[in-house]
Amino acid sequence: AQRVTQPEKLLSVFKGAPVELKCNYSYSGSPELFWYVQYSRQRLQLLLRHISRESIKGFTADLNKGETSFHLKKPFAQEEDSAMYYCALLTGGGNKLTFGTGTQLKVEL
Amino acid sequence: NAGVTQTPKFRVLKTGQSMTLLCAQDMNHEYMYWYRQDPGMGLRLIHYSVGEGTTAKGEVPDGYNVSRLKKQNFLLGLESAAPSQTSVYFCASSTGGVSYEQYFGPGTRLTVT
Repeated sequence: AQRVTQPEKLLSVFKGAPVELKCNYSYSGSPELFWYVQYSRQRLQLLLRHISRESIKGFTADLNKGETSFHLKKPFAQEEDSAMYYCALLTGGGNKLTFGTGTQLKVEL
Repeated sequence: NAGVTQTPKFRVLKTGQSMTLLCAQDMNHEYMYWYRQDPGMGLRLIHYSVGEGTTAKGEVPDGYNVSRLKKQNFLLGLESAAPSQTSVYFCASSTGGVSYEQYFGPGTRLTVT
């Protein structure tokens, strides 16, 4: 069965420090993975997807099929990065997404 | 464009009462989804629709019904609310194409006492 695991409920870093939000998945097919972000008082929105291999707001994520991971990274955290981050896996027909439990990122000054 | 809107924003129900949550999108998207968000559990898919007149069960469908009579609207019904249905409900839509991106509504906070 498909599963997305985000082991950290809360990650607290200082401004300017590197950030790594962990995501591991379990899926029998070829995975399509995404990171969604929810800023305070805003809607959940797509941050990036692995197929586009792009950097958004300084964040990158590399799909590692050997380790079944899709960790989100940013070299220097900014205060505005504080938010809830969800890793999601595309699962089957209807473009359904299976979400992880989310990681709350807090960037402290 | 308003994108995805949800009505109401907040609601308190007593156990056993019924209600309907309305989701509307003005992006002409084919696919629509209902999720619930609970602390420590992330977002879980309740039901979804791949087009007008179609619906399908998601991960946690029990206790909910849905209808998609019009392409732009997706209704989520609770026939007999239970405290376990206290949650934040999110609606989302997508084109159904290869972009896969889902666009989310602002959420409805439901409390069942």
